[in-house]
Amino acid sequence: QQQVRQSPQSLTVWEGETAILNCSYEDSTFNYFPWYQQFPGEGPALLISIRSVSDKKEDGRFTIFFNKREKKLSLHITDSQPGDSATYFCAASAGGRALIFGTGTTVSVSP
Amino acid sequence: DAAVTQKPRYLIKMKGQEAEMKCIPEKGHTAVFWYQQKQSKELKFLIYFQNQQPLDQIDMVKERFSAVCPSSSLCSLGIRTCEAEDSALYLCSSSPQGGQDTQYFGPGTRLLVL
Repeated sequence: QQQVRQSPQSLTVWEGETAILNCSYEDSTFNYFPWYQQFPGEGPALLISIRSVSDKKEDGRFTIFFNKREKKLSLHITDSQPGDSATYFCAASAGGRALIFGTGTTVSVSP
Repeated sequence: DAAVTQKPRYLIKMKGQEAEMKCIPEKGHTAVFWYQQKQSKELKFLIYFQNQQPLDQIDMVKERFSAVCPSSSLCSLGIRTCEAEDSALYLCSSSPQGGQDTQYFGPGTRLLVL
C-alpha cells in the first residue's frame, strides 16, 4: 500500500512556466512534509518542507500548498529554469519516524 | 556544507555473495538512515539508527541484511547473501536529531548483483 502518492509521474514545462507537482497521503498522523530534489547520479537534497500547522510555505520560486483536510499538498515551481530539471520526491513522517517517500515526479524544463 | 560520504560508489557482486557498504554521517548528526532506491523510483526505508542504536527497520533487513553503527562516525549496511532483486542504489542519510530534522543524503552505493 503506497502511503504517499505523487502525480504526475513526469512533467514537461517550458522555461518560465509554472510546474505543479501533486502529492497525497493516507496517514492522518503525518505532520512533516519535506520535498526532495534529486539529480541523476546524486542523492536527494532537501528543497523545501512544511509542517501540518501551516497551509503554505514559500522559498524563492518554490511554494508548498498544504490542505490537511483533504490530505493533499502541492509543490509549485514558478519561473521554471532548465536547471530545475530533476526528479522531485514528496515525503512524510510523523512523531520522529523515518520518512515515507512518494514515487517521484520527473520534471523536464525546455528552454 | 553537509557532506555524507558513502563507499564504495559502485559494487558488483555475484548472486549468493556477501556485500558491504559504508556510510560516514555528517559530523555531529545523531540519526542515520538507510534507503533502497530502484530505477530512480521512490526511496524505500530500510533502517534507522539513533545514537548508534537501531530504532526501526523493515522485516527484509532483519532477515537478510546486517546493519551497524559501531561509532558515531561510521555505519555499515551488509547483505548476507545477494540476490538479483537487491540490485539498487543504497542511500545513507543523516540528520542532527531524528526523523523530522532535515536529512542529508550521500551519493549512494550502486549495487549490481549478477
